[in-house]
Amino acid sequence: AVQVTQSPSSLSASVGDRVTLTCRTSLGLTSSLVWYQQKPGKAPKLLVYDDFNLAAGVPSRFRGSTSGTDVTLTISSLQPEDFATYYCHYLGAFTFGPGTIVDIK
Amino acid sequence: QITLKESGPTLVKTTQTLTLTCTFSGFSLSNSGMAVGWLRQPPGKAPEWLALIFWDDDKRYSPSLKSRITITKDTSKNQVVLTVTNMDPLDTATYYCAHRMVRGVFDYWGPGTLVAVSS
Repeated sequence: AVQVTQSPSSLSASVGDRVTLTCRTSLGLTSSLVWYQQKPGKAPKLLVYDDFNLAAGVPSRFRGSTSGTDVTLTISSLQPEDFATYYCHYLGAFTFGPGTIVDIK
Repeated sequence: QITLKESGPTLVKTTQTLTLTCTFSGFSLSNSGMAVGWLRQPPGKAPEWLALIFWDDDKRYSPSLKSRITITKDTSKNQVVLTVTNMDPLDTATYYCAHRMVRGVFDYWGPGTLVAVSS
């Protein structure tokens, strides 16, 4: 089965910080990876698909990109509403990564 | 706009069958390319995909749960139903239904329904 890993598993940051989250599949593929944001008690919210396309209504401070076999999600200037858990999802096998928790420092 | 909502029991007993209904609006599952999926998320864990049904009644199931789950649709009612047999406490989770874009991405999700399994 395809494994999806995310790093870091958690990070603490301050409002205004730039943060980068990384996702990788065991196949080394970078296509077909999607990013979701989830807040406690809420359903996951689509952020980025097709590597870098932002979903409707997603602020431009979110950016998806690839680097080698890694797919990254960068938040250029962290806002209070961005503290959440971020999941990477590999569409080829419907597999989700374990998530990265972004909390307040 | 697209909305989905899950409904069903919040508590089932071990070995029972769970039946959940997803009622949606804003799209028709009879239109080419449309699909609805079911996913679940145990407390504190990542989401897990369970099943997918397409406009043409094609179906996909998670290999790990394939023997226990069934997905069906009622296009006239705008509903998709998931059944899971032989429920176990490990099946305790929030169950979500979601609209799937043509690109394969789940872009709209229901609010979820928490199902607990008691022994």
